[in-house]
Amino acid sequence: AQTVTQSQPEMSVQEAETVTLSCTYDTSESDYYLFWYKQPPSRQMILVIRQEAYKQQNATENRFSVNFQKAAKSFSLKISDSQLGDAAMYFCAYRSSNTDKLIFGTGTRLQVFP
Amino acid sequence: DAMVIQNPRYQVTQFGKPVTLSCSQTLNHNVMYWYQQKSSQAPKLLFHYYDKDFNNEADTPDNFQSRRPNTSFCFLDIRSPGLGDAAMYLCATSRDRPSNEQFFGPGTRLTVL
Repeated sequence: AQTVTQSQPEMSVQEAETVTLSCTYDTSESDYYLFWYKQPPSRQMILVIRQEAYKQQNATENRFSVNFQKAAKSFSLKISDSQLGDAAMYFCAYRSSNTDKLIFGTGTRLQVFP
Repeated sequence: DAMVIQNPRYQVTQFGKPVTLSCSQTLNHNVMYWYQQKSSQAPKLLFHYYDKDFNNEADTPDNFQSRRPNTSFCFLDIRSPGLGDAAMYLCATSRDRPSNEQFFGPGTRLTVL
């Protein structure tokens, strides 16, 4: 069975600085998708970024980028120029190519200090 | 704005008293999901509907059931809530299968007394 591990329960960063959130996963599959979702306090979870396992190029969305290391089964999220609005719980998630089921990690709570 | 709406946001029920949580969507998506998120734990998929086709996860307790009367609405019924069922329940949708993005509602926090 696939598992997703986020080893950092909490992280903090100063405004305008860069922070990296870690995620590792375990799977025997070769074709899958990885996601980072953001859940602000008392608000709905939204997709931040998505990576297809068959793509070697790391996904980027504005200030958010990933470091996808397929052999190491690692999928970290880098947030550049951190803003106060980035404060949230961040979940890493895995989906097999042939299912709809998202398997989530336990999340990392990110605090952003002015 | 198109969205996923969950009512109520907070629900309190008594041990053993049936409770229903509601989810509606204006996105006209084919797939609707229910997740359970306990404190400090990862969200866990309970089941999902693809149109009217119900897909139950193998480890979802029989105490949990769902109904989808039409495209827009989906309900989560807990027949006899136990203290261990206290959690945040998240509804999500996706346009089709497999999903490249799931759209989540704000969740309903269930307290069991």
